[in-house]
Amino acid sequence: SAVISQKPSRDICQRGTSLTIQCQVDSQVTMMFWYRQQPGQSLTLIATANQGSEATYESGFVIDKFPISRPNLTFSTLTVSNMSPEDSSIYLCSVEDTTSHEQFFGPGTRLTVL
Amino acid sequence: QKEVEQDPGPLSVPEGAIVSLNCTYSNSAFQYFMWYRQYSRKGPELLMYTYSSGNKEDGRFTAQVDKSSKYISLFIRDSQPSDSATYLCAFSNSGGYQKVTFGTGTKLQVIP
Repeated sequence: SAVISQKPSRDICQRGTSLTIQCQVDSQVTMMFWYRQQPGQSLTLIATANQGSEATYESGFVIDKFPISRPNLTFSTLTVSNMSPEDSSIYLCSVEDTTSHEQFFGPGTRLTVL
Repeated sequence: QKEVEQDPGPLSVPEGAIVSLNCTYSNSAFQYFMWYRQYSRKGPELLMYTYSSGNKEDGRFTAQVDKSSKYISLFIRDSQPSDSATYLCAFSNSGGYQKVTFGTGTKLQVIP
């Protein structure tokens, strides 16, 4: 299984600022995913990031608010822009094993917006 | 009707008990069925993964899928305090792009 790390592990930010979350995988993967997990709710897919192409966003999520970069096959970033308290959540990246289609998750970034 | 229904719990059991966790789903296109375990302040960890009806066993864990009833279960035998976590069921369609739909999770506490 892939080993995934995320930075930062947690952060407290002020309203109106932006935070960039990094996701690093120990092997090359085609597809990386960004999820949000709000308190008491299920994981919600924000977008899918393929290397070399624009990210694909799910309904309710837009590129201006959550820009994503995918510069190579082991790394991706998610930026949460112009933050409000409603953005307080855990943000998780995940990767898919292309053979088994299993998904593996990073440890998450716990974001609090004041 | 929600696409996935999962009882949020919390579920509290004594050590050694058999635990039964369940989810129902409405999307007939779901072909892959998963259970994740998530400890507090950690990312979800894949526990069980199956793509067919029937039972799959791995140590103390058994995953059961009933496609006709759109119902999946996870059984934990001889539960341990270390099993205390939130358990999420998850589903995806067949095909190359595996968008995963998650349940809200059931919080389990195993009391020593």
